[in-house]
Amino acid sequence: QVQLQQWGAGLLKPSETLSLTCAVSGGSFTDSDFYWSWIRQPPGKGLEWIGEINHNEDTNYNPSLKSRITVSLDTSKRQFSLRLTSVTAEDSGVYYCARGLATNLGAFDNWGQGAQVTVS
Amino acid sequence: HSVLTQPPSVSGAPGQRVTISCTGRNSNFGTGYEAHWYQQFPGTAPKLLIYGNTNRPSGVPDRFSGSKSGTSASLVITGLQAEDEADYYCLSYDGSLSGWVFGGGTKLTVL
Repeated sequence: QVQLQQWGAGLLKPSETLSLTCAVSGGSFTDSDFYWSWIRQPPGKGLEWIGEINHNEDTNYNPSLKSRITVSLDTSKRQFSLRLTSVTAEDSGVYYCARGLATNLGAFDNWGQGAQVTVS
Repeated sequence: HSVLTQPPSVSGAPGQRVTISCTGRNSNFGTGYEAHWYQQFPGTAPKLLIYGNTNRPSGVPDRFSGSKSGTSASLVITGLQAEDEADYYCLSYDGSLSGWVFGGGTKLTVL
């Protein structure tokens, strides 16, 4: 059974860099059938896609965040990470990591538990 | 405004049928990009409910069904149950924005 476990700093000051990591257990991590994504949810609001990376380390980022985002992969540790620079209060919210199905793009079938990030 | 537009709320009595709409544009559904639906309970991660317009992952009851036509998609829940009370989000790829976009979400209340 696939499990995604995520962690990272929860309280940041404006202009700092957000760093989150997601560890994947169970299932394949390097299989071309999957890609790895980050999605966030501001307090009381809806979901926003942040970015994704595949097994070839090809990335795709939300254009509105692209200048500040880096998503990376560490296959030896079965982990992928998110860095978001120059954070502001608008970056506060719950951040989720998720597994996407390359055979059904947009189908995120496994999610991390979420990480609360507060910028203040 | 969201590129994918959902009603903020819908409601229905137990046993009834409810429909949640997701109105898109030529740049997403109109281009052929598929609709996906997610269910989210308060304080928990979203769960994939429908993918590829009409497909249910294993374990999702057949009370949930999805469809897409033109620039709109719909999620239909039949035989409504109290446990269905949650937030529902549609998702698609938008070619103009070059990224995935979620609808604003719909809160389902079971009366």
